Amino acid sequence: AQSVAQPEDQVNVAEGNPLTVKCTYSVSGNPYLFWYVQYPNRGLQFLLKYITGDNLVKGSYGFEAEFNKSQTSFHLKKPSALVSDSALYFCAVDRGSTLGRLYFGRGTQLTVWP
Amino acid sequence: DGGITQSPKYLFRKEGQNVTLSCEQNLNHDAMYWYRQDPGQGLRLIYYSQIVNDFQKGDIAEGYSVSREKKESFPLTVTSAQKNPTAFYLCASSMTGDATDTQYFGPGTRLTVL
Repeated sequence: AQSVAQPEDQVNVAEGNPLTVKCTYSVSGNPYLFWYVQYPNRGLQFLLKYITGDNLVKGSYGFEAEFNKSQTSFHLKKPSALVSDSALYFCAVDRGSTLGRLYFGRGTQLTVWP
Repeated sequence: DGGITQSPKYLFRKEGQNVTLSCEQNLNHDAMYWYRQDPGQGLRLIYYSQIVNDFQKGDIAEGYSVSREKKESFPLTVTSAQKNPTAFYLCASSMTGDATDTQYFGPGTRLTVL
């Protein structure tokens, strides 16, 4: 069974508007959730993670994400998008085991147009 | 990408040849990982190692081999048994390999089989 899903292959938003990139998960127990960003032909850059505590997590470059246990979601948000935010975004989940093993979503291509 | 280097950036291989991808980290991390990225499929785990001289298979280990003789190095060999090796390969490392640790990624190696 798929552990994490990103239901949108592409998200398009105008510069200055708020953006949301969606992620849902399906693991038992307490998941650990991560967001990464990838620019063309580059490695992944860590944005933020949820382990425990406050459901609203703030990360790099003005991004934040909200953990919602009842909806099993961990959507990535930013209040005001920049053209430079255009990239491929990955949600990942660790099933809460003692050993770190990440399961990645298929990625969402974000395009911010000027 | 800082702290993790992968070489070469681009690699071309003829069918039937083995090739080795290099991954080195100077972060003093115990755990290291190899992922494969294909368009539209996200990242899939090939092998991981939580300590020197020990490693485990991930979800798609067939046709690949690794070694972990030094803490800072985790080379991946793509053997001729790998049926479709053309992909983008990403190496990552984390402090201890615990599920709460952040994985940090290298810049990747793009392998093309001619």
